[in-house]
Amino acid sequence: AQTIHQWPVAEIKAVGSPLSLGCTIKGKSSPNLYWYWQATGGTLQQLFYSITVGQVESVVQLNLSASRPKDDQFILSTEKLLLSHSGFYLCAWRLGGQNTLYFGAGTRLSVL
Amino acid sequence: QQKVQQSPESLIVPEGAMTSLNCTFSDSASQYFAWYRQHSGKAPKALMSIFSNGEKEEGRFTIHLNKASLHFSLHIRDSQPSDSALYLCAVSDQGGRALIFGTGTTVSVSP
Repeated sequence: AQTIHQWPVAEIKAVGSPLSLGCTIKGKSSPNLYWYWQATGGTLQQLFYSITVGQVESVVQLNLSASRPKDDQFILSTEKLLLSHSGFYLCAWRLGGQNTLYFGAGTRLSVL
Repeated sequence: QQKVQQSPESLIVPEGAMTSLNCTFSDSASQYFAWYRQHSGKAPKALMSIFSNGEKEEGRFTIHLNKASLHFSLHIRDSQPSDSALYLCAVSDQGGRALIFGTGTTVSVSP
């Protein structure tokens, strides 16, 4: 069974429209959760991380926000998309005290 | 803030040859150094990691770390077409909050 599930797989959205991307982790207790953004063929830019429910730290905001409403869920959102938001959004998890990050399959976002 | 750079940006390697990738970082206080591989359109996956100076080998893959030189590398012996991918090096940040990824090297192994 897949540990990490991201939704949706892909989105095409208009500039100025809202966005909500989600990530669910199954079978892991209190994982550290992360959102990364990747431009086409580019490096991974960390956006947010969370070590516990209700607490989210911002690394680079890019006019986005994140929330962790449940232990196993991490949400990335914005009320108003920009063209520069296009790219590949990846959710990742790791257990506290461990170093390896495990990534979800990602959401490909095109803002037109 | 840790800065992580990779070289070269891209590489074409004949099948069976050695692939060598480089990564430099700015803060020697980091404790964890890793390589991730990302096939086109897929999620990155951890390949190998190392914590202390020296060398570590796993199958066709070898990782070298030299903290004093702020450098670590990945070598792939007997490169295969399936090794064609984007390779990202990663270094832990000071607070251990996450990994800082490098700029990436695109590797193409030609049959």
